[in-house]
Parts: sequence; C-alpha cells; structure tokens
Amino acid sequence: NAGVMQNPRHLVRRRGQEARLRCSPMKGHSHVYWYRQLPEEGLKFMVYLQKENIIDESGMPKERFSAEFPKEGPSILRIQQVVRGDSAAYFCASSHGPRGFFGPGTRLTVL
Amino acid sequence: GQQVMQIPQYQHVQEGEDFTTYCNSSTTLSNIQWYKQRPGGHPVFLIQLVKSGEVKKQKRLTFQFGEAKKNSSLHITATQTTDVGTYFCAGRDTGNQFYFGTGTSLTVIP
Repeated sequence: NAGVMQNPRHLVRRRGQEARLRCSPMKGHSHVYWYRQLPEEGLKFMVYLQKENIIDESGMPKERFSAEFPKEGPSILRIQQVVRGDSAAYFCASSHGPRGFFGPGTRLTVL
Repeated sequence: GQQVMQIPQYQHVQEGEDFTTYCNSSTTLSNIQWYKQRPGGHPVFLIQLVKSGEVKKQKRLTFQFGEAKKNSSLHITATQTTDVGTYFCAGRDTGNQFYFGTGTSLTVIP
C-alpha cells in the first residue's frame, strides 16, 4: 500500500503563473487535507475535502486559491497568479480513520 | 473557531537534558495526536491519545492527555541529537478535522 503521494516535489514558478499541486491519498482514504508551511513556521490548515466535496475551506485565501478532490484522480490544489509570498511547502494528508498520513510535500518557489 | 496552541515555540537543550512541549486547545478534543517533523521532512505520526488523563510511553517519550481533554504534553527524557525536529500536536474534535498546534522546534546541542 503506497503512502500519500505528492507531485511535483519541487515546483518553480514565476510571479503571475499558475501552480498546480497534486496529492494522491493512500488507497481507501476518502479524506484529504492540505496544509501550508512557511519556512521556520508551523502547519497552517488550508482545506479539508472528501470525494467531490469541500468540507472546510476556512484556511484557504479567498482569492487565487482553489482545491478539488474529484471522484477519480488526485486532489488538486491550484494557485493562480502566484506571488512571492506563496513560496512555501504544501503538504497534504489523508485519513480514513483516526490517524493522518502525510505526503512528502511540494516545495513551491516563486521567483 | 478551534485553536490549538503549543509552547514553547523553540527550545534549545544540551544533549542529555529533558524537554517538554505543551499543547492547549480552546475546546474539548475527542483525541489528540502527536507528530514529529525532521528538518526538510514531512510530519510523521507518533502517537494518539484518546482517554481523559491517559499517559503513554514510547521509550524516552512520555505523552499525556489532560483530564479535561483540552491539553496535552510530550516529555522527552535525556534528549539525543536524533530527537531534533519540530513536534506538533493535532487535536481532533467530534468531526474528522485535524487542528494542528503551532509546533515546538527542538534543537539538541551535542
């Protein structure tokens, strides 16, 4: 059973471009969470999704950020018109029961 | 909304000294989990506590869940350089949402 997969592991974008981050949860897991971690800081909750539903997006910036978890395929975190402040590590976690399993993260650098 | 605070934010200790991080929630939790993140890595699950007043041990690590299920602590006895990393607590309410603490970054000086 493969763990949580995230790709790409590293992503470089110029200001104004779009960034797409993908997360494939563990097999059988129907809950996905996205977190952002700025350098030297903790994990900031962004969004919690179940298949085809956004359960809690209270941590998502109101503009430029969106997330989905379609019936088929990975969960996608999309950042439009990236700015330098978006540079961070983005982690997703999946769960089916009580324990969360984290992916290796995508490190986004905005030039 | 739900908030989980951790103190201290940073801790530097000499190798062999003890270390404790505290986690406090604004509301009652159904359970609490602890994760460790090594520098450059991702959070890795350590343990889950469910019962009021529960205490669990993993070698040199002792985890405690408060009686009111609103706070928790992680204590490391005789730290080693391999203990370096950031320790996060994550509280869970009656739903499936994780509320992560702000983390405590531990540096162990050899």
